[in-house]
Amino acid sequence: NAGVTQTPKFQVLKTGQSMTLQCAQDMNHNSMYWYRQDPGMGLRLIYYSASEGTTDKGEVPNGYNVSRLNKREFSLRLESAAPSQTSVYFCATRTPNLVPALYFGPGTRLTVT
Amino acid sequence: GIQVEQSPPDLILQEGANSTLRCNFSDSVNNLQWFHQNPWGQLINLFYIPSGTKQNGRLSATTVATERYSLLYISSSQTTDSGVYFCAVPINTGTASKLTFGTGTRLQVTL
Repeated sequence: NAGVTQTPKFQVLKTGQSMTLQCAQDMNHNSMYWYRQDPGMGLRLIYYSASEGTTDKGEVPNGYNVSRLNKREFSLRLESAAPSQTSVYFCATRTPNLVPALYFGPGTRLTVT
Repeated sequence: GIQVEQSPPDLILQEGANSTLRCNFSDSVNNLQWFHQNPWGQLINLFYIPSGTKQNGRLSATTVATERYSLLYISSSQTTDSGVYFCAVPINTGTASKLTFGTGTRLQVTL
């Protein structure tokens, strides 16, 4: 089992370009998350998906869109990248049981110039 | 939303020493988790502990929900314990699913 995978691992964009960050899980979890981590800070929630076809805004959703077309995949799209979106992006899933642990992917390091 | 603060921000220990990391939160929570981010950036879930005490090897955690704090204890520290430790709580009351993270405690364990 790969757990949670993210592509790409690294990306450099110019201001105004668009891109989609991909996340896939083979853990059969319903809940999936997108977080961003800026230097010296904790993780901030961008979007959350409780199940296929549902999404909910987190703390910092502006400038992002998400798509949860199936149970396995949850993508994050930047329509017009800005330097303020330079960050490390983490995807996560959550176990559905009484001990709701989060499992994180390895992250995507994005630089917007 | 619920505010979360961690202390100390930085900690340097010699191998074998013990340490206590603290997480304070501003409102009642029904979900609290501790995570370790290793020097390569990987995030690992350590504990789900909205109340009470749990132990896993050299690590243990205690949450006193009525006083709105949680403690992470690391005993007999090893160099592999280095990294950043985060606690996470719900963004606001009424949800257990959407978690917000503190700014972390950066731990360096030296030989």
